[in-house]
Amino acid sequence: DAKTTQPDSMESTEGETVHLPCSHATISGNEYIYWYRQVPLQGPEYVTHGLQQNTTNSMAFLAIASDRKSSTLILTHVSLRDAAVYHCILSSSFSKLVFGQGTSLSVVP
Amino acid sequence: EAAVTQSPRNKVTVTGGNVTLSCRQTNSHNYMYWYRQDTGHGLRLIHYSYGAGNLQIGDVPDGYKATRTTQEDFFLLLELASPSQTSLYFCASSGYREEQYFGPGTRLTVL
Repeated sequence: DAKTTQPDSMESTEGETVHLPCSHATISGNEYIYWYRQVPLQGPEYVTHGLQQNTTNSMAFLAIASDRKSSTLILTHVSLRDAAVYHCILSSSFSKLVFGQGTSLSVVP
Repeated sequence: EAAVTQSPRNKVTVTGGNVTLSCRQTNSHNYMYWYRQDTGHGLRLIHYSYGAGNLQIGDVPDGYKATRTTQEDFFLLLELASPSQTSLYFCASSGYREEQYFGPGTRLTVL
């Protein structure tokens, strides 16, 4: 599966909207884009996923570029509970996820 | 919400020791996974299973065996534990072509 590139860290303020970027220039046509998040000493938590169309759920909005070479996870009205490491993962198989270092999001009051 | 439990939560053993980590999920998921997490590496897939009696090799299987005894239970076995296997271990489960739900983790220390 293709690799992703994410910034090491980002900071936001409570109540703001944060855009977490992910670059995946070599993505294949059958690869889905997954986002998981993880807080220290806990297992990862599924956030969202998409293939080509933008998706939205109660946790986040996922914007996928038309050429699928990048995506952005958008969190609105962030709270302190949203502070976590956010992982952008590509996979053509739902059974195999390869986690990288992700983006460490800190949220300040 | 999916429920995945792991036991023990913490384990200390000595080099050459025998360790079994247990995972149970109560959501009738077909797929179960074992990962390890180390500083600087992110989560890495050790083994996974499609159902009772099935075992698939992951990305870092050396030194590990696994067994899926029922749809609910997935075990990770370290028969000759080494210090390099000191890590945080996560179990996960999922339905077919669905997101994975993770357990709380087991911290293993091999002295």
